[in-house]
Amino acid sequence: QKEVEQDPGPLSVPEGAIVSLNCTYSNSAFQYFMWYRQYSRKGPELLMYTYSSGNKEDGRFTAQVDKSSKYISLFIRDSQPSDSATYLCAMYSGGGADGLTFGKGTHLIIQP
Amino acid sequence: SQTIHQWPATLVQPVGSPLSLECTVEGTSNPNLYWYRQAAGRGLQLLFYSVGIGQISSEVPQNLSASRPQDRQFILSSKKLLLSDSGFYLCAFRDRAYEQYFGPGTRLTVT
Repeated sequence: QKEVEQDPGPLSVPEGAIVSLNCTYSNSAFQYFMWYRQYSRKGPELLMYTYSSGNKEDGRFTAQVDKSSKYISLFIRDSQPSDSATYLCAMYSGGGADGLTFGKGTHLIIQP
Repeated sequence: SQTIHQWPATLVQPVGSPLSLECTVEGTSNPNLYWYRQAAGRGLQLLFYSVGIGQISSEVPQNLSASRPQDRQFILSSKKLLLSDSGFYLCAFRDRAYEQYFGPGTRLTVT
């Protein structure tokens, strides 16, 4: 079983729709959770980060963490064509200098 | 503000040739530095990380090496490239609790 599972998509939705992106994980030591947006041939851009369970909102984006289910989500409201990108979830257990564990990314397409 | 640079942006190299990719960070001191590789359909794989000058930790055995000659400089190298070294190489830094910020990447094609 991979540490982090993420549906690669593509996920295609019409402009204005609410988008739900999800990851599941197996390592209960993960405490920090991040979402990155990556446009084609560019480096990932940090969108949201959360610690522990709960919700965090930033503009049209909401990150949700359910540690009991080992499940995290990113919701995008009022989706725009410019949101079309690959979204990567990432996790970190904390306490060390080592890197993040990433999902493979979901390719999102917002249709105008 | 903090910025991270990588060069070159694109590189095409023959099998068996050497490699040197450079990453520099501005606007921060003593950051943790990371090299990741992103291959199609395989997500981001951590290759190396460094907590200080001359301190390198390797995550996977491979044909690559890393060095940190200065506080804000991180170099990825190879003496002889393999076809399997092709990919998108990303440098990242971390200067606070756990947030990592990525550079623009280098796309390497080994022919």
